Amino acid sequence: GAGVSQTPSNKVTEKGKYVELRCDPISGHTALYWYRQSLGQGPEFLIYFQGTGAADDSGLPNDRFFAVRPEGSVSTLKIQRTERGDSAVYLCASSFSGQETQYFGPGTRLLVL
Amino acid sequence: ELKVEQNPLFLSMQEGKNYTIYCNYSTTSDRLYWYRQDPGKSLESLFVLLSNGAVKQEGRLMASLDTKARLSTLHITAAVHDLSATYFCAVTTNAGGTSYGKLTFGQGTILTVHP
Repeated sequence: GAGVSQTPSNKVTEKGKYVELRCDPISGHTALYWYRQSLGQGPEFLIYFQGTGAADDSGLPNDRFFAVRPEGSVSTLKIQRTERGDSAVYLCASSFSGQETQYFGPGTRLLVL
Repeated sequence: ELKVEQNPLFLSMQEGKNYTIYCNYSTTSDRLYWYRQDPGKSLESLFVLLSNGAVKQEGRLMASLDTKARLSTLHITAAVHDLSATYFCAVTTNAGGTSYGKLTFGQGTILTVHP
């Protein structure tokens, strides 16, 4: 079946702009996760949704970052007033529940100029 | 705060040789995962280890877990070029109010297998 999909695959923006990154989880998966991976590093946790609600948002670095999942399926990660340090690959993952293996999407490569 | 450390960070192997990647974590963990990442690609799940003494094998890869030592190993047997990739271990726990959803990853081990 279809895996986790993310759009866009690449995004180039200018410092100070607003961006939205979209994640489509595997059908039937109730849990959805966002991670950020910088070059040469392991992914870092940002936020975890169980259904429509954020079960754990402890990884969001500051209030410029916000994520929603209004209908319990697709999620959008929103970054306001982007900074060059936000440049990274943003990975989305989903799992059947919050206690199962997480399956990752291909990521969105964000470059802030 | 849960910390995960892998070693080595870089591993260059000859085809046919055996080697082990180590993953240490700092606090009690409930689950340990191994993922593979090819250059420019996303993460592929390899193993999940749930209990002390758990051992799982798939092809030339075998993973084990020692929760008392807070150590997992990924053993590579008779390496082949196709195993070249970056390998991550990741740990999750619901201790201390954290959620199972939060995976904490190691730095990754870049494995290169030479002919």
